[in-house]
Amino acid sequence: QKEVEQNSGPLSVPEGAIASLNCTYSDRVSQSFFWYRQYSGKSPELIMSIYSNGDKEDGRFTAQLNKASQYVSLLIRDSQPSDSATYLCAVNSNSGNTPLVFGKGTRLSVIA
Amino acid sequence: EAGVTQFPSHSVIEKGQTVTLRCDPISGHDNLYWYRRVMGKEIKFLLHFVKESKQDESGMPNNRFLAERTGGTYSTLKVQPAELEDSGVYFCASSPRVGYGYTFGSGTRLTVV
Repeated sequence: QKEVEQNSGPLSVPEGAIASLNCTYSDRVSQSFFWYRQYSGKSPELIMSIYSNGDKEDGRFTAQLNKASQYVSLLIRDSQPSDSATYLCAVNSNSGNTPLVFGKGTRLSVIA
Repeated sequence: EAGVTQFPSHSVIEKGQTVTLRCDPISGHDNLYWYRRVMGKEIKFLLHFVKESKQDESGMPNNRFLAERTGGTYSTLKVQPAELEDSGVYFCASSPRVGYGYTFGSGTRLTVV
């Protein structure tokens, strides 16, 4: 069974620090990787996608992918209290012909 | 662009009753997905439509769940009869193509008492 593992947290970081969120996946042929942010009581919101090994930066967010280690991470620079949310890692394989598999999410708390 | 719309936002029903959830995807998105999150668990896949056809329904828990997508537009998910373990948040999502990230609706919180 394909699995996506995340530390549930909470991960607490001070305002202005770098938050590092990690995710591992079991399906070696996974092709597409996504990070979603979910505020309490709201729907998941797509914030990053990454498809090839290496880093991808978008504003304060950087996604990192290492397919050999089956590992994907999300770095949030200059963390703000508004970044406090649950971050969900999602993976799909087979060139996207299979549905996204989600991790349980990591709860991030940015302390002002 | 209008997002993915779901209603109702909340539903409380008694065990044995029927509930129908509705999802309107983003216009032009052929791919429509239903997911469910039970408290404390990860978001789990239920099924995937491509236009009006069921592409993958491997996540449907049992035959009490019936999904339709009329004319490839909106979709409904009916639970009949509802059981206590069906409680959770039901999310609908859509995407223009497979392999793309999904846009989620705000979800329907279903409580079966």
